[in-house]
Amino acid sequence: QVQLVQSGAEVKKPGASVKVSCKASGYTFTTYDICWVRQATGQGLEWMGWMNPISGKTDYAQKFQGRVTMTRNTSISTAYLILSSLRSEDTAVYYCARDFTGLGAFDIWGQGTVVTVSS
Amino acid sequence: QSALAQPASVSGSPGQSLTISCTGASSDLGGYNYVSWYQHHPGKAPKLIIYEDSNRPSGISNRFSGSKSDNTASLTVSGLQAEDEANYYCSSYTSSSNVVFGGGTKLTVL
Repeated sequence: QVQLVQSGAEVKKPGASVKVSCKASGYTFTTYDICWVRQATGQGLEWMGWMNPISGKTDYAQKFQGRVTMTRNTSISTAYLILSSLRSEDTAVYYCARDFTGLGAFDIWGQGTVVTVSS
Repeated sequence: QSALAQPASVSGSPGQSLTISCTGASSDLGGYNYVSWYQHHPGKAPKLIIYEDSNRPSGISNRFSGSKSDNTASLTVSGLQAEDEANYYCSSYTSSSNVVFGGGTKLTVL
C-alpha cells in the first residue's frame, strides 16, 4: 500500500544537527512533492517546507531559513530533513507528508519521528 | 506568515452538527481555493479530510463538508459520532508559495 515510513526517535544536544528520513513505497516517489510538518508538545501543526523529488527544488518556511535542508535520494525513494543548530524549542514530532495536488493537500503522512533536544 | 485563526475548542452531542471556522487573509485563504482540513487524533498521523476548499478524498465520510466565503473557511461535521473527537486543523496555500496551518481546534463529543 501507499505509505511513508520515517526513521526512529532521536535525542540530540543543543547546537547539534538531526537528520530524519522518510521512505516512500507503493507509488512513484518522483510524482509528488514531499513536505515536512512538525508539532511541538501541546502545540499545533507547523509547516516547515517542501521539496520536489525530481528537481530537488525546495521552498522553506521563513522561520527555518538557514537551519533547514530538505534533500532526497531518488534511487531509494527516500526524502530527508536536516535541521541544524538545534535548540530546546525544536523538540517535537516531525512528519513527512505527500502533497498530491502540489498546492498543499497532504494525503499520505509518515508515522512521525520524535526529536528531543536536551543537554 | 501568521497562522490561520481557529477557535480553540468546540463541542457537541452525538448526532448534532457543528462547524469549525478558519480565518485568514487575501494573501492566503482568501486568495486561493486551496484550503485543506485535517483530523488529528493524538499519537497518530494527521488525516486529510477536505482539500481544495470542499473536496473529500476517497474514503472520507460525507458527514464532513467544507466551504469558504471570502477570508473564512468552514468545516462542518454532521451527525457527530464519538470517533469524531479529535483536533482539527485547517491549512492554506499562500502567495509566498508556502503553506500555513491554523492553530487547531479541539472537538469534544459530549
